[in-house]
Amino acid sequence: DSGVTQTPKHLITATGQRVTLRCSPRSGDLSVYWYQQSLDQGLQFLIQYYNGEERAKGNILERFSAQQFPDLHSELNLSSLELGDSALYFCASSVGPTPGNYEQYFGPGTRLTVT
Amino acid sequence: GENVEQHPSTLSVQEGDSAVIKCTYSDSASNYFPWYKQELGKRPQLIIDIRSNVGEKKDQRIAVTLNKTAKHFSLHITETQPEDSAVYFCAAKRGSQGNLIFGKGTKLSVKP
Repeated sequence: DSGVTQTPKHLITATGQRVTLRCSPRSGDLSVYWYQQSLDQGLQFLIQYYNGEERAKGNILERFSAQQFPDLHSELNLSSLELGDSALYFCASSVGPTPGNYEQYFGPGTRLTVT
Repeated sequence: GENVEQHPSTLSVQEGDSAVIKCTYSDSASNYFPWYKQELGKRPQLIIDIRSNVGEKKDQRIAVTLNKTAKHFSLHITETQPEDSAVYFCAAKRGSQGNLIFGKGTKLSVKP
């Protein structure tokens, strides 16, 4: 167990809908990263927050947004869902802001299925 | 931007043999290269990493080598065991402040 928690574990929804994925980092970690893992694209970095502020953006679609709250938990909002958004969504956390300087610990993931 | 290519996509070895997975990267400013292991249905876990000021790093049966000139790095697993069966991902940190760019993974199967 990495200490990172994600809810829900599974989510099934229809095209056009909106969902919210939640992540609680390890105690003491200030950075939260969101990744999307699909069969054809592998593990893709979406966005990073550090201590409540957006730190870096990757291949995140405009239909997706995220935030980190004062208690450091983070939410990833996915809207106008398409079939291609079906994937495993991981969050990871680390102590500091710079990847590589601090190990990233991954949560168990949320499996999103869009029908 | 940074691109990470990983080969092979699948690898099958006999228990006790060695396994080698190779990755190439495109950004010469990349300076951190971790390897993650992901067992079926589980989260990725860091197994070893290397920084650009080091050519090789070893941890028991696992080693990673880095060739900065050729911009490639490799994971070596010796004396493979069935529990080594998993998907292995390499990654490169884009530049000095960038985020991790992952390879597409190698599914390693170790046959007893």
